Order: sequence, then C-alpha cells, then structure tokens
Amino acid sequence: DAGVTQSPTHLIKTRGQQVTLRCSPKSGHDTVSWYQQALGQGPQFIFQYYEEEERQRGNFPDRFSGHQFPNYSSELNVNALLLGDSALYLCASSPPNGTSSYEQYFGPGTRLTVT
Amino acid sequence: GQNIDQPTEMTATEGAIVQINCTYQTSGFNGLFWYQQHAGEAPTFLSYNVLDGLEEKGRFSSFLSRSKGYSYLLLKELQMKDSASYLCAVIIYSSASKIIFGSGTRLSIRP
Repeated sequence: DAGVTQSPTHLIKTRGQQVTLRCSPKSGHDTVSWYQQALGQGPQFIFQYYEEEERQRGNFPDRFSGHQFPNYSSELNVNALLLGDSALYLCASSPPNGTSSYEQYFGPGTRLTVT
Repeated sequence: GQNIDQPTEMTATEGAIVQINCTYQTSGFNGLFWYQQHAGEAPTFLSYNVLDGLEEKGRFSSFLSRSKGYSYLLLKELQMKDSASYLCAVIIYSSASKIIFGSGTRLSIRP
C-alpha cells in the first residue's frame, strides 16, 4: 500500500515564476491538506481539499491555489513566486469522515527553492 | 488567534527520560497531536489525545489537560535515533478539520 506521494522532490525556480506541485493521497483517503514548512518552523496550513473543493484555508495569499481531481490527487499552484516562498511543501491525506478522520499522513514533501 | 508554544530546543542523555511541554490557546479544539520529524523528512504521527489523561505507547507517552490548555510528550529510555524535532499540533474543527502546528522542539540526544 503506497503512502502519500509527492512530486517533484526538489525544485528550483526564479522569482516571478509559477510552480505546480503534485500529491497523491494514501489509498482510501479522500481529503488532502497542504502545508508550507519554512526551515526551523512547524508546518503552516495552506488549505484543505475535499470532494474537489477547497474546504478550509489558512492565512495565505491568493497566489496560492489548488485543485483536487476525481481520483483525490491534488495540485498546489503558486504564482508570482517570491524568495520567501522557499520552503518544504508538505501534503497530508486523511481518511473519510467517521473513520479516524483526524489522522493525517504526510508525504515526503517537495523542497522548493526560489532564487 | 491561534497560539501553540513549545520549547525551541532540548538536550537529553541516552537512556534517560525527557518531557517536552506544549501549551495552546486556540479557537476550537478537537484533539492534540504529537509528531516526530527528522531533519529533511516528513512528520510522522506519534500520538493523538482528545480526552484528558495519559496515553502510553511503548517508550512514548502523551498527556493532555484541556482545562489548562497543556500537553506533554514523555520519551523514556532515550536512544540516539530519538534526536529529531517534536511537533505539537492542535486540530481545530470548524467547518472542516484544520491542524495548527507549533514551531517544534529540537531534541538532541548525547551519548
């Protein structure tokens, strides 16, 4: 049973560019959450997707957007990249409501560097 | 606002016991997690507390007091591989579950 997978592993972009990160949830999970983790900090909640809709959002600007597909996989898009967007981006999936839905399983993350 | 506080760094000796504290002030509470994160890796789930009291799982135990907004993670018989960051996180249930993380406690184990 594959866990949460993310691609790419590492990415280097230039200021002003756009980036798309991808996440496939753990088998049987239908909810995907995205987090940004700066060096030495805890993960910061970006948003959560369920049934192909954004269900909850943290304090991130509109430059951060996402999508969830019918197979529950998800994408995180960041436009107009800033140096401060350099971070580890983590995807976490959780099972359907009523089945230990509080549990979140994290993927290995995508390390984004903006130069 | 949401606030989760935990010490930035701690050091302990191999074979000893260490307690990592966490205090929180959040709008809504649906449980508290502890995660372990080794450098450059994703967080891995350690424990989940939703009711007051102590949950024990092998060498790791986690305690919660909802009235005090307080939790701790207790690690016994420390091993060198326990050197990692330990993240306290609160799940907030509004229209959908959302997890707020503390900044993490970096634990170093010395021989």
